[in-house]
Amino acid sequence: ETGVTQTPRHLVMGMTNKKSLKCEQHLGHNAMYWYKQSAKKPLELMFVYNFKEQTENNSVPSRFSPECPNSSHLFLHLHTLQPEDSALYLCASSQDAQGNTIYFGEGSWLTVV
Amino acid sequence: LAKTTQPISMDSYEGQEVNITCSHNNIATNDYITWYQQFPSQGPRFIIQGYKTKVTNEVASLFIPADRKSSTLSLPRVSLSDTAVYYCLVGDEVDSNYQLIWGAGTKLIIKP
Repeated sequence: ETGVTQTPRHLVMGMTNKKSLKCEQHLGHNAMYWYKQSAKKPLELMFVYNFKEQTENNSVPSRFSPECPNSSHLFLHLHTLQPEDSALYLCASSQDAQGNTIYFGEGSWLTVV
Repeated sequence: LAKTTQPISMDSYEGQEVNITCSHNNIATNDYITWYQQFPSQGPRFIIQGYKTKVTNEVASLFIPADRKSSTLSLPRVSLSDTAVYYCLVGDEVDSNYQLIWGAGTKLIIKP
């Protein structure tokens, strides 16, 4: 148990579907992250939120839409995805966005069919 | 921008000491070096963090030379359960823009 909880753990969706990934952290952190991890590729940072404000969008396609209603919750809304978007999506948090002691969730495995 | 380089894979045997080195040529002056462990189907997990010289905890040691352009994660007496991917992470600051730079990961396979 890392203090970062992601749901669902597994998701299969069609290219026309709309779904959301949810992340919640119980660590009192102020920064939250979405990472994408594809097979045989390094971790790719997607979005960073610091004190609920988005501070980084790493050139992510608009079919991925993040939402951070408060410092403890982070969502990733998905719509009209492509099969190449199939990957492990990892949520993480840290005390603030300047730190590199990051706590990860277990990840959400996404398969786009 | 800092770049990290680490070996793609390594093999070792149970009971051996394993050292994994990461080079990070332009690490931010005030930033720490952090190492993570990742098992299949799980998120990366924090192992150890250091700024310079040597840091030791219950699972690993981290050696950082004076120039801080590299770091070596040392796993003493590995077991089969240490088979995982190991990532180094450093921070870099360019034009007041702080970024985290992940290594590509080293896949460590421990054999009986």
